[in-house]
Amino acid sequence: DTEVTQTPKHLVMGMTNKKSLKCEQHMGHRAMYWYKQKAKKPPELMFVYSYEKLSINESVPSRFSPECPNSSLLNLHLHALQPEDSALYLCASGTGTVYEQYFGPGTRLTVT
Amino acid sequence: AQTVTQSQPEMSVQEAETVTLSCTYDTSESDYYLFWYKQPPSRQMILVIRQEAYKQQNATENRFSVNFQKAAKSFSLKISDSQLGDAAMYFCALLRIQGAQKLVFGQGTRLTINP
Repeated sequence: DTEVTQTPKHLVMGMTNKKSLKCEQHMGHRAMYWYKQKAKKPPELMFVYSYEKLSINESVPSRFSPECPNSSLLNLHLHALQPEDSALYLCASGTGTVYEQYFGPGTRLTVT
Repeated sequence: AQTVTQSQPEMSVQEAETVTLSCTYDTSESDYYLFWYKQPPSRQMILVIRQEAYKQQNATENRFSVNFQKAAKSFSLKISDSQLGDAAMYFCALLRIQGAQKLVFGQGTRLTINP
């Protein structure tokens, strides 16, 4: 099973709201990733968790706050976002042996 | 620094024919992996094929195969017997093994299949 699930599928939030994106995998992968993808562009890496510890933060603004409660779950907490943060947010999990990453379907975020 | 370049923003092919998508990359690493990912309009990114840099043999997955030219830093994807379901954005990506393992993507090639 190479499934990564993400909820919600769509999210509309105001600039003063607080919301969270959720990602889940049950493949036993120990690396999990958050990417941001603008229309017609490749994904841009935001964060990497390895063995539940944050290993890479690509200089992402603090209004994005990642959390990895356990090896299967990854959250992205959102607060005081800007309209330019509107994008598709992709979660991925990865194997440590063949370095493949498996992506979820994404959350389409619109900030109004 | 690593870069991945896909020089074909768009391509089209007739159903059942063969198409080749180009990708070149630059890295100073000796250990790395190369990938092709497919993203259909429904947006889920799907892994198509993987190539380890230390392997000389080109990877193959059913109708998908690669032409990996390490010296030329070229990694093209060939799709045989194209099907309507192959229509998607295709991204070439590079992952170095040492240090921070970050996927570096090309800008993508949008593939259209003509019936």
